[in-house]
Amino acid sequence: GENVEQHPSTLSVQEGDSAVIKCTYSDSASNYFPWYKQELGKGPQLIIDIRSNVGEKKDQRIAVTLNKTAKHFSLHITETQPEDSAVYFCAASKGSTLGRLYFGRGTQLTVWP
Amino acid sequence: EAQVTQNPRYLITVTGKKLTVTCSQNMNHEYMSWYRQDPGLGLRQIYYSMNVEATDKGDVPEGYKVSRKEKRNFPLILESPSPNQTSLYFCASGQGRHQPQHFGDGTRLSIL
Repeated sequence: GENVEQHPSTLSVQEGDSAVIKCTYSDSASNYFPWYKQELGKGPQLIIDIRSNVGEKKDQRIAVTLNKTAKHFSLHITETQPEDSAVYFCAASKGSTLGRLYFGRGTQLTVWP
Repeated sequence: EAQVTQNPRYLITVTGKKLTVTCSQNMNHEYMSWYRQDPGLGLRQIYYSMNVEATDKGDVPEGYKVSRKEKRNFPLILESPSPNQTSLYFCASGQGRHQPQHFGDGTRLSIL
């Protein structure tokens, strides 16, 4: 199967700074990489995703980059705000195993005002 | 409002007493899935369903059963719960492969 590793497990930044979370995957056939944000007491919510035919995708303060050769992808949050504080999960899936989604172990992001 | 609804939200029960966690979605999604979340382990997939009467195992299916008789419902069944199934469970639905999944707010199960 697929193995997704996520780092760091915790990340503290000052409000206004940038935050970067990195994930690696093991199966070169993986071609879909979503990122989810989980607030306390809630289910994960998709914040951005990227497919393997794209190297970078941006949505306002959030961006994701994908390096297929190195098999890693990263989440970048700029101008962080206290409401960005949450647990973030990366995930990977591939077309040959429809329905399977493999998650990283999560990053607890804390943004200090 | 588009949503995935899980019930119950919290349950404390004892070893061996069969229980069912219900999941319902109102978005006409074909795909549904169950995950468990444990500290330090992230989300692990238990079972998923690509459509009615089509279910398949995820990473950790042992001790669980599912059924998909209707498109909107995907119950998770623990026939003989054990303490190692104490966890936070999430149901999710999506339009299909490589589409965003919408998660419910979770069910916290404690099995004594």
